Amino acid sequence: EDKVVQSPLSLVVHEGDTVTLNCSYEVTNFRSLLWYKQEKKAPTFLFMLTSSGIEKKSGRLSSILDKKELFSILNITATQTGDSAVYLCAVNRAEYGNKLVFGAGTILRVKS
Amino acid sequence: NAGVTQTPKFQVLKTGQSMTLQCAQDMNHEYMSWYRQDPGMGLRLIHYSVGAGITDQGEVPNGYNVSRSTTEDFPLRLLSAAPSQTSVYFCASSYVASGSYEQYFGPGTRLTVT
Repeated sequence: EDKVVQSPLSLVVHEGDTVTLNCSYEVTNFRSLLWYKQEKKAPTFLFMLTSSGIEKKSGRLSSILDKKELFSILNITATQTGDSAVYLCAVNRAEYGNKLVFGAGTILRVKS
Repeated sequence: NAGVTQTPKFQVLKTGQSMTLQCAQDMNHEYMSWYRQDPGMGLRLIHYSVGAGITDQGEVPNGYNVSRSTTEDFPLRLLSAAPSQTSVYFCASSYVASGSYEQYFGPGTRLTVT
């Protein structure tokens, strides 16, 4: 059975801190791993990772995939209160269609 | 370009009632899907479609029906609502073609079954 596990489940930090969110997976025929940010409404896309060791960056956010150890991390540097959200990790399998298997999410709260 | 739209935003049903959640996209995406989101459980796939006339079950299909008569629309029908179907429902769409798997989500429908 496909499994995506995120840790920690929740996290409280102060503005300016750096955080690392983890996502491990067990999925047959892995194709890609995606990160989404959800702020009380629809998830919004952050990154898609398909190759090991290649870091994706967008401003203060970055992510990397390790296909040998089956995990990904999402880093947020110099956190701001606007980073408070649920961060979702999802894995896509190499089959026709685009089904995603989601983890339970990490709730991040950034205090000012 | 509205992206993915869902109606209604909120709905309260009594046990046993039926209803249809609407989803539409204007991006000409082949792939559309329905998820439910419950506290502490992430998003779980209910049904999906890879094109007009083609649908299939996801992880939690029981109690739900779908159809896909056009590329744009993918309604989700609750046949006989139960309290266990209280949840937030998201519709999503994407291209199926290789190289592009980002799914775009609608704003969600919050459903309460009493």
